Amino acid sequence: EIVLTQSPATLSLSPGERATLSCRASQSVNSYLAWYQQKPGQAPRLLIYDASDRATGIPARFSGSGSGTDFTLTISSLEPEDFAVYYCQQRSNWPPLTFGGGTKVEIK
Amino acid sequence: EVQLVESGGGFVHPGGSLRLSCAASGFTFSSYEMHWVRQAPGKGLEWVSYISISGTTIYYADSVKGRFTISRDNAKSSLSLQMNSLRAEDTAVYYCARVIWSGHNWFDPWGQGTLVTVSS
Repeated sequence: EIVLTQSPATLSLSPGERATLSCRASQSVNSYLAWYQQKPGQAPRLLIYDASDRATGIPARFSGSGSGTDFTLTISSLEPEDFAVYYCQQRSNWPPLTFGGGTKVEIK
Repeated sequence: EVQLVESGGGFVHPGGSLRLSCAASGFTFSSYEMHWVRQAPGKGLEWVSYISISGTTIYYADSVKGRFTISRDNAKSSLSLQMNSLRAEDTAVYYCARVIWSGHNWFDPWGQGTLVTVSS
């Protein structure tokens, strides 16, 4: 089973700042990695798939990069609605499909 | 509008059973693989099960294998999860999720979720 480790667990930033979230895989997942955003009481929403492709309707301030075992989600300038929990997910070697433990982006 | 609506959650004692349903609309259900994903209270996301378009290929997480059964009815655009021998650790919000497109197991969209509580 591929284990995804996200860091940091919590990121405290102000609106307008840049957010950099990390996801590390226990073995290579090539570019088969996605990022999801989840707000309290809501279902997750797909942001990025295949490491760097934005899903439909996702603003350009969200970008993904990386391949192999190290991946980054960058939010170039935080908007108030971006404060949420972010999860990475791999589909390289499954079952099982696995998720990272999440990074909470909170208002500083 | 593409929509997934789960139902069937509730309270059940350990060892009991529940059947979750997911009603799909706004897209051709029979053209997409489907998944169940769960989230324990205050915890992260856990993949539960997968079913292929035809229903002939099915996978489960080890934590539910032998107790849960996924199925689909393409004529009714419906996905189900039969959960037997429930345990306290199965307590979670259960989401049904569609793949972004066939063969690509990224989840989009998701349903709103249905809460399953297993407690004595």
